[in-house]
Amino acid sequence: DVKVTQSSRYLVKRTGEKVFLECVQDMDHENMFWYRQDPGLGLRLIYFSYDVKMKEKGDIPEGYSVSREKKERFSLILESASTNQTSMYLCASSLPGLSNTEAFFGQGTRLTVV
Amino acid sequence: KQEVTQIPAALSVPEGENLVLNCSFTDSAIYNLQWFRQDPGKGLTSLLLIQSSQREQTSGRLNASLDKSSGRSTLYIAASQPGDSATYLCAVPISGGYNKLIFGAGTRLAVHP
Repeated sequence: DVKVTQSSRYLVKRTGEKVFLECVQDMDHENMFWYRQDPGLGLRLIYFSYDVKMKEKGDIPEGYSVSREKKERFSLILESASTNQTSMYLCASSLPGLSNTEAFFGQGTRLTVV
Repeated sequence: KQEVTQIPAALSVPEGENLVLNCSFTDSAIYNLQWFRQDPGKGLTSLLLIQSSQREQTSGRLNASLDKSSGRSTLYIAASQPGDSATYLCAVPISGGYNKLIFGAGTRLAVHP
């Protein structure tokens, strides 16, 4: 069974803290993604990676960075957490290619910044 | 720019009904379309992926169809059950590769006994 695992279901952090969200996949997928989901705004892409050490900005990268040192692990970093980063964060992975590339998601991390 | 729309936004039906969820997209040059299910406070579960060359895909009581030329996909749920209650999202890859997805806002389904 394919699996994308996010390290935490719920997190509460203080404003200004550096926050790490971890994601691990066991499918040997090249592509990994971080989305955030907010009521009324839907899912939006923050960053993605298509290979180890390779990353590209998505639609809303401001305030975030990422790290991909190993193929199976993709980390999202909030450099200095702010209240407007309170959200549901979703990690996903997929094979490369265009046609038959199903995306698989983790269980989500609900982050609250106080 | 690709836009994905889902109608209706919410649906409440009695158990046993057959129902149809709709997804439309503005740019028909898609490689595939994927349907997901999301339970409250949880992540997304992939239900079906339809490649651009396919017309439909089936999994159990679910059937998804794709009409690229009209920019539409439908998810048909047969004999609905209370356990089907969830939000259903459709998504298509943005052109440019890497399988970056753009999502519809979802249809929130409630199936009551």
